[in-house]
Amino acid sequence: DGGITQSPKYLFRKEGQNVTLSCEQNLNHDAMYWYRQDPGQGLRLIYYSQIVNDFQKGDIAEGYSVSREKKESFPLTVTSAQKNPTAFYLCASSDDATGNYGYTFGSGTRLTVV
Amino acid sequence: AQSVTQLDSHVSVSEGTPVLLRCNYSSSYSPSLFWYVQHPNKGLQLLLKYTSAATLVKGINGFEAEFKKSETSFHLTKPSAHMSDAAEYFCVVSDLTGRRALTFGSGTRLQVQP
Repeated sequence: DGGITQSPKYLFRKEGQNVTLSCEQNLNHDAMYWYRQDPGQGLRLIYYSQIVNDFQKGDIAEGYSVSREKKESFPLTVTSAQKNPTAFYLCASSDDATGNYGYTFGSGTRLTVV
Repeated sequence: AQSVTQLDSHVSVSEGTPVLLRCNYSSSYSPSLFWYVQHPNKGLQLLLKYTSAATLVKGINGFEAEFKKSETSFHLTKPSAHMSDAAEYFCVVSDLTGRRALTFGSGTRLQVQP
């Protein structure tokens, strides 16, 4: 079955560490997105990529980095510069760059700073 | 610029009674609008979408929404709530310029009482 796989499901990070969240899709979608979800704040856009080897900053890109070397993969690195990284991270993809037909979401990664 | 306002952060209903989750939007274009549902610690699932076809949109699990341009609203309804409907619901608008991703409302948590 086609879908989006996020791993790991739970991730713990020590202060000052960089961690990378994986997102893989086998839907042949061109566009991929990373969102951060905090309680009571809905979803906020971190980065998005509408095509391989290209990506754009979203609303809260500071302290995060991404790459898009393959169509199927869009990993997110949470760097030590991100001061409050504890959150639920969601990856999504769409076959239309405008998102006009909606997204398919992964099941998320919960990151906790210890 | 586009925005979405979900008018209630929490809604509580009794099982078997109607559900109404309210959403107002602001967009410079004729928007595409979506409702997504999220169960605890899960990704988001698309309930329904409006993309300038019929203004009354039917989705999964008995939900429907009506696009009212004059009121800039896209409220989600269901005639009879089920315990399994308890979840977080997000109203979402699409940026048709293709430069950005979807814009999410802050969410409405639906509780269903037995």
